[in-house]
Amino acid sequence: QKEVEQDPGPLSVPEGAIVSLNCTYSNSAFQYFMWYRQYSRKGPELLMYTYSSGNKEDGRFTAQVDKSSKYISLFIRDSQPSDSATYLCAMIENYGQNFVFGPGTRLSVLP
Amino acid sequence: DTAVSQTPKYLVTQMGNDKSIKCEQNLGHDTMYWYKQDSKKFLKIMFSYNNKELIINETVPNRFSPKSPDKAHLNLHINSLELGDSAVYFCASSQDTGRAEAFFGQGTRLTVV
Repeated sequence: QKEVEQDPGPLSVPEGAIVSLNCTYSNSAFQYFMWYRQYSRKGPELLMYTYSSGNKEDGRFTAQVDKSSKYISLFIRDSQPSDSATYLCAMIENYGQNFVFGPGTRLSVLP
Repeated sequence: DTAVSQTPKYLVTQMGNDKSIKCEQNLGHDTMYWYKQDSKKFLKIMFSYNNKELIINETVPNRFSPKSPDKAHLNLHINSLELGDSAVYFCASSQDTGRAEAFFGQGTRLTVV
């Protein structure tokens, strides 16, 4: 079993839809959880970062972590065509050990 | 002003050659990383450096060697290039190893022919 699993998609939604992106993980030592967005032929950019179970909101984005289920989610409200990109979850153990990315989910938001 | 910059952006070279990719960050960060993204878009960490000290070294071939002349630079040198080395290589930096937020460069697309 891979340490971090993520549905690769592609996921296509109409503009304005609520998008749910998910990752599961097997390593209970992961403490910090991140979501990165990667546009085609660009480097990943950090969207959100959290270290506790629960929800964290930033504008149209909400990150949710459930450590007991080893499951994290990113919700995008009122999705826009500019949100079309690959979304990568990432997680890290304490003290910067074992920084692991999920394989990414490709999202297309159709106008 | 680009925070993390790497050069070249594209690199096409023949098998067996030696090549280097340069990376510079102007964020004042203490930790820098090299990642490899393969054709399936899987991003895997190769190395990280903290204050010029190698702190993570994943099981990459020893043909790959990171070189850090100072904390703002982490270059990647690759000897005896192989076809399987073709990938996109990303440099990244973070404030320190305890901070998980990493900032990425634009990537270097390496093609070995």
